[in-house]
Parts: sequence; C-alpha cells; structure tokens
Amino acid sequence: KAGVTQTPRYLIKTRGQQVTLSCSPISGHRSVSWYQQTPGQGLQFLFEYFSETQRNKGNFPGRFSGRQFSNSRSEMNVSTLELGDSALYLCASSFRLREPYNEQFFGPGTRLTVL
Amino acid sequence: AQSVTQLGSHVSVSEGALVLLRCNYSSSVPPYLFWYVQYPNQGLQLLLKYTSAATLVKGINGFEAEFKKSETSFHLTKPSAHMSDAAEYFCAVSSNTGNQFYFGTGTSLTVIP
Repeated sequence: KAGVTQTPRYLIKTRGQQVTLSCSPISGHRSVSWYQQTPGQGLQFLFEYFSETQRNKGNFPGRFSGRQFSNSRSEMNVSTLELGDSALYLCASSFRLREPYNEQFFGPGTRLTVL
Repeated sequence: AQSVTQLGSHVSVSEGALVLLRCNYSSSVPPYLFWYVQYPNQGLQLLLKYTSAATLVKGINGFEAEFKKSETSFHLTKPSAHMSDAAEYFCAVSSNTGNQFYFGTGTSLTVIP
C-alpha cells in the first residue's frame, strides 16, 4: 500500500508570492491534516479536512488555506508569503473513524523556503 | 486542553547505553499518547502509542514507553542505543476528537560511537 505522498518535495519562493502544496493520502483514508514544522515553533497544526470539509483549524492567519477533493487528495495554499513561512509542511492522513484517537500517517513533507 | 512537554531538547548517549527520552502530558481527559520519530529530511514515523490497553507499550525498533498516570508521564526508553537511532523524537497527545495531535517540541537524540 502506497504511503502518503507530498509534492513538490522542495520549493523556493520569494516574499509576496503564493504557493500551493499537494498531498495524496493513503488509499482509503478520508482525513488529511496539515502541520507546519519550524525549528523555533516545532510542529504546529494547521487544519484538517474530511469529506471535502474543513473540520478543525489551528491558530494560523487567513493566508493559510486548504481544500480537499472528492478523491481525498488535499492542497494547501499560502498567499502573500513571508520569510517566516519558511518551514517543512507535513501532511498526515487517517481513516477518521468514530474512535477516541486516529492514528495518523505522515508524508515526507514539502520543504518551503521563502527568500 | 491537551499538551505535552518534552524535557531536554538534546540528548546524547553512547552506543549500547540506555536511551531515556522524557515526556509529560497534560490532559483533562484520559489521554491517547504517541511517540514519533523523524529521520533527517523525512516525515514522522509512529514508534508506539498508548490507548489505555496496557501501561507498558512496546513499539518498533526495540523502543518501549510506560504510561504513569500518577506522574503524568510517558517516557520513551530503549535498553541499548544503536547508531541508527539518531533522530528527532516527538511525543504527542491527541485531541478529544482524536483528529488533532498536539506535539512536544521534540528531542534530538545523538548516539556517540
């Protein structure tokens, strides 16, 4: 079974630009979560999508947005990039059953560098 | 609210020595706790998880963790460190809904030959 895939693996952008990252979950998984990882802040939750709807959202500005398609693939978009947006963006997928926890499977991440 | 605290951002051990990575949690409900490992330029891989079935949890690569409610701890241990264990380790607790993870700040493990 293929794991979570993220594209592209590396991106270099300049301030003010926008960027779109893509995540394909494990087949059968319907939930996709996004995390930002930086040396200073660690891993921070961005948002979660399930059945094409945003179900949970972290404490990030509106410049960060996402969406999910009917095949469960997800994209996240960051507009008006700032230097501080440089980070590793991780995507995780899960079944999202009615359980007290859902094991999340992580992709390799997209390394975004903002110049 | 749930949160985890990892004591020690950097830990160094000699090859063959005991590995102990500390994690304390704060949760208003019975917690579901996880340890993940991240190798350079890779995503996170689940090492083990506590879901209330047993307080001593065995994971992959010889790691185990013990849930101690009285100490609100979930420390990760391995009896004998291997060079391949050098990585970043994250403790995490899931939200009440189970769909959001709160991660600790991570502990970087260095194994000295």
